[in-house]
Amino acid sequence: NAGVTQTPKFQVLKTGQSMTLQCAQDMNHNSMYWYRQDPGMGLRLIYYSASEGTTDKGEVPNGYNVSRLNKREFSLRLESAAPSQTSVYFCASSAWTRIYEQYFGPGTRLTVT
Amino acid sequence: SQQGEEDPQALSIQEGENATMNCSYKTSINNLQWYRQNSGRGLVHLILIRSNEREKHSGRLRVTLDTSKKSSSLLITASRAADTASYFCATAGAPMYSGGGADGLTFGKGTHLIIQP
Repeated sequence: NAGVTQTPKFQVLKTGQSMTLQCAQDMNHNSMYWYRQDPGMGLRLIYYSASEGTTDKGEVPNGYNVSRLNKREFSLRLESAAPSQTSVYFCASSAWTRIYEQYFGPGTRLTVT
Repeated sequence: SQQGEEDPQALSIQEGENATMNCSYKTSINNLQWYRQNSGRGLVHLILIRSNEREKHSGRLRVTLDTSKKSSSLLITASRAADTASYFCATAGAPMYSGGGADGLTFGKGTHLIIQP
């Protein structure tokens, strides 16, 4: 099993450009999450999807949108990138919400110039 | 806002010694989890302790939870060079921030552990 996969691994954007980060899991998990990690910080929750067909905002949702495409896939879209969105983005999944452990992807390192 | 706060921020010990790191949090929790992150990699789940548990073991790891003090500790015994990493506590429970996120985890800033050979 691949676990949680993310694409791309690295991306450089100019201010105002848009992009979509892709995430997929093969563990048949119900819940999926997007976090961002800034230098010297822990992870902060952007959006999550408790189950297929639902999405909810986390701590820092402004400037992002998400789509739970199916049970396996959860994408994160930046419509108009800003330098403040320079960060490392992690996707995670869990069997069911916060009451179970989460499995993380390798991350996408995004730089916005 | 960060729910968990790890202490110390950085810790350097000799191989074979024990490493202890602490986590404090602010609100009632369903469970508390510890994760490890090697440089430039994703997080790896280490152990989950539920609010009605006081201590849990997994191999060389021992986690304690004191809900009255809103604190937890992670002990790594007989440390190895491969234990060099950042360690994060994460809480699951009612969020402090507005906008929901009730089903996500709230992470601390982490403890960076260096094991000297």
